Amino acid sequence: GDSVTQMEGPVTLSEEAFLTINCTYTATGYPSLFWYVQYPGEGLQLLLKATKADDKGSNKGFEATYRKETTSFHLEKGSVQVSDSAVYFCALSVVDSSYKLIFGSGTRLLVRP
Amino acid sequence: EAGVVQSPRYKIIEKKQPVAFWCNPISGHNTLYWYLQNLGQGPELLIRYENEEAVDDSQLPKDRFSAERLKGVDSTLKIQPAELGDSAVYLCASSLGLGTAGTEAFFGQGTRLTVV
Repeated sequence: GDSVTQMEGPVTLSEEAFLTINCTYTATGYPSLFWYVQYPGEGLQLLLKATKADDKGSNKGFEATYRKETTSFHLEKGSVQVSDSAVYFCALSVVDSSYKLIFGSGTRLLVRP
Repeated sequence: EAGVVQSPRYKIIEKKQPVAFWCNPISGHNTLYWYLQNLGQGPELLIRYENEEAVDDSQLPKDRFSAERLKGVDSTLKIQPAELGDSAVYLCASSLGLGTAGTEAFFGQGTRLTVV
């Protein structure tokens, strides 16, 4: 079945450090890929997305590139801030008769001043 | 524009008692989802509605869980009777109709259920 695998957290970084959170997927169809973020006490919100191979999603300094050959959608940011501390979820969806939004287990990011 | 609204935000009940969660999706969104999020895990789909029809309820434990979406707008998720293992966050989300790649789902803040 379709699935998403993320690197386990927590990831602890100092402010202005480079961030990578790995995400790989398995899908029977051609998925769209997403990164959602959950700040403390808040609901999930979309951070960025990509719908086809080699697309790059970007938002708030975060980027992720849809790599079909490696079935990956790694999240990166060049310089993290304390306010980026949150839980990040990689997700996929496949547009077919059983349309679902399937999530990874989440990666907690803690950024220290 | 208002987002997805869920209530209550928190609920504490004793085991074997019933509990209900309510969700009001974004206006115009045909698709409504209920997800279960256990601590430290990603959301898992319980049920998906297209308008008032439940099109995917394969992960819903039907012996104790039920859901409805009357008139294709608001939805209610019920558990009866609740068990200790039901303690989790219940998320509601909505989106425009399926069929378009990259359709975004918008989430409510969730209801945190604690069964004691």
